[in-house]
Amino acid sequence: DAKTTQPNSMESNEEEPVHLPCNHSTISGTDYIHWYRQLPSQGPEYVIHGLTSNVNNRMASLAIAEDRKSSTLILHRATLRDAAVYYCILADRRTGNQFYFGTGTSLTVIP
Amino acid sequence: EAQVTQNPRYLITVTGKKLTVTCSQNMNHEYMSWYRQDPGLGLRQIYYSMNVEVTDKGDVPEGYKVSRKEKRNFPLILESPSPNQTSLYFCASSLSSGRDTGELFFGEGSRLTVL
Repeated sequence: DAKTTQPNSMESNEEEPVHLPCNHSTISGTDYIHWYRQLPSQGPEYVIHGLTSNVNNRMASLAIAEDRKSSTLILHRATLRDAAVYYCILADRRTGNQFYFGTGTSLTVIP
Repeated sequence: EAQVTQNPRYLITVTGKKLTVTCSQNMNHEYMSWYRQDPGLGLRQIYYSMNVEVTDKGDVPEGYKVSRKEKRNFPLILESPSPNQTSLYFCASSLSSGRDTGELFFGEGSRLTVL
């Protein structure tokens, strides 16, 4: 089963862009790349997902490397409410299973 | 309102006393899953279900059972709880098709303490 690697923690200044990296060197052709975040004392919430092309939504952008072995979640202007643990996971399109969250990246936003 | 509902939200029990944590979703999702979250270990999948009567083990299934008799419900059963099952549990569901993997919707979590 494909797994992901993320830095344990990152810091960002408020109102500056944040780039959260994720490595997934064993990704297969049917794996979608998903990002979730978990605010303190809450369940994880969906942020964005993609397969091959870069994706944008109201929360963030997802940049996927051409070889798909890495991706970057981009928060365009960090706010204090973006302080959370961010998880990059792979979901197999064939089975639909999303199973490996790992420990994620804890993002601290500095006022 | 679309939601995943878990009960109980908090439970303190004793070793060996069978318990069930219920999970229900109102979005007609095929896929449901259980995770446990422990400090320093992140979220680990216990069991998942692709549809009614279809369940499979995740990374840490030992000591747990699940069933999927109805599409909306996916209870987690601890037949004989032990202290190492003290954890924060999350249920999740998604509308998953063969063409894409839908976003996971999570419940609010159930904090279980086994004495």
